[in-house]
Amino acid sequence: SAVISQKPSRDICQRGTSLTIQCQVDSQVTMMFWYRQQPGQSLTLIATANQGSEATYESGFVIDKFPISRPNLTFSTLTVSNMSPEDSSIYLCSARDTGEAFFGQGTRLTVV
Amino acid sequence: AQTVTQSQPEMSVQEAETVTLSCTYDTSESNYYLFWYKQPPSRQMILVIRQEAYKQQNATENRFSVNFQKAAKSFSLKISDSQLGDTAMYFCAFMARFGGGSNYKLTFGKGTLLTVNP
Repeated sequence: SAVISQKPSRDICQRGTSLTIQCQVDSQVTMMFWYRQQPGQSLTLIATANQGSEATYESGFVIDKFPISRPNLTFSTLTVSNMSPEDSSIYLCSARDTGEAFFGQGTRLTVV
Repeated sequence: AQTVTQSQPEMSVQEAETVTLSCTYDTSESNYYLFWYKQPPSRQMILVIRQEAYKQQNATENRFSVNFQKAAKSFSLKISDSQLGDTAMYFCAFMARFGGGSNYKLTFGKGTLLTVNP
């Protein structure tokens, strides 16, 4: 099973600024995913990140707000841009590995 | 579109007893995976159990087992001998191909908050 290290684990940010979240996988994986989980809610898929191609965004999420990088098969970043208090949430990255999906520890973001 | 429904927002059980969490899903795919994830307050998503749709035998992992009814599109989780450490949010999830290619997407239910009481 893959192990995913996600950082930062939490941050408090000023509105209007940007935060980049990093995920490092201990093995090569084809697909990585980014999710948002608002308090008390389920996980909502933001985008799918494949190495060597543009990320695929879900309805309601756009690249200008949530740019994603996937430079290689073990690493991805999600940037939350021009933040507002509505972006306060938990952000999780995930990787698919032979029929299973593994998750990072999550980033708890608070925008003030 | 795939959907996952968990009809029990909250459940509670006494320590050492058995509890069953319900999950139904809707899909037109024939090849897919089903999962139960546990999310304790630490927010780490922990895989509890996995079921491949092509396997008729229900998956088991120690105290955790599933009742997979493919025709009914039902995938319930049974926790036996409940322990205090089982207290967490439990998410049912479905993974199948999307976009006609080799990409897979994971869809989650809304979750069931399970409390194990001493």
